[in-house]
Amino acid sequence: AQRVTQPEKLLSVFKGAPVELKCNYSYSGSPELFWYVQYSRQRLQLLLRHISRESIKGFTADLNKGETSFHLKKPFAQEEDSAMYYCALVSHTGGFKTIFGAGTRLFVKA
Amino acid sequence: SQTIHQWPATLVQPVGSPLSLECTVEGTSNPNLYWYRQAAGRGLQLLFYSVGIGQISSEVPQNLSASRPQDRQFILSSKKLLLSDSGFYLCAWRSSGANVLTFGAGSRLTVL
Repeated sequence: AQRVTQPEKLLSVFKGAPVELKCNYSYSGSPELFWYVQYSRQRLQLLLRHISRESIKGFTADLNKGETSFHLKKPFAQEEDSAMYYCALVSHTGGFKTIFGAGTRLFVKA
Repeated sequence: SQTIHQWPATLVQPVGSPLSLECTVEGTSNPNLYWYRQAAGRGLQLLFYSVGIGQISSEVPQNLSASRPQDRQFILSSKKLLLSDSGFYLCAWRSSGANVLTFGAGSRLTVL
């Protein structure tokens, strides 16, 4: 079954501390993985995708096929990083459905 | 540039009343369209998706239905709302050739 698991509902860190939001997936085949973010009073939007191998707003995520993980990391958290983060997987069958995890709310304390 | 509109933004309806949420996309053609429901602690649940006019796929059996009367219009409906239909509904589109979703601002439905 295709599934995305985000084990942490809430993650609270101090400003300047490293942050890691965990994501594990279940998918038969080569996965296409994404992180989406929803800031307060803003639309849900793409943060980054594993294909691009890019760093966005200081965040990176590496696909680990052996551990079936796609954790989101940032070495130094900022208060403006406080938001809801969703890990997502695209299923390449029938309409290219995007399957989301339950989300992790990140709270960065001053 | 492409934009996506959802309305109404907020809706309060009595149990048993009908529902119609609309979503339109501008600046693109033949998009894949999706309806999600966002619930706290449960993430985004895919409700329906459409790959073309009149083509609707349902992911979860429920009290809701969807229609796509035009290429860039996607409608979420119900004949009789239940309390459990309350939630935050998101419309999204995906352009062909890319797998990134662009979301609307959402519609918050409260059923009393």
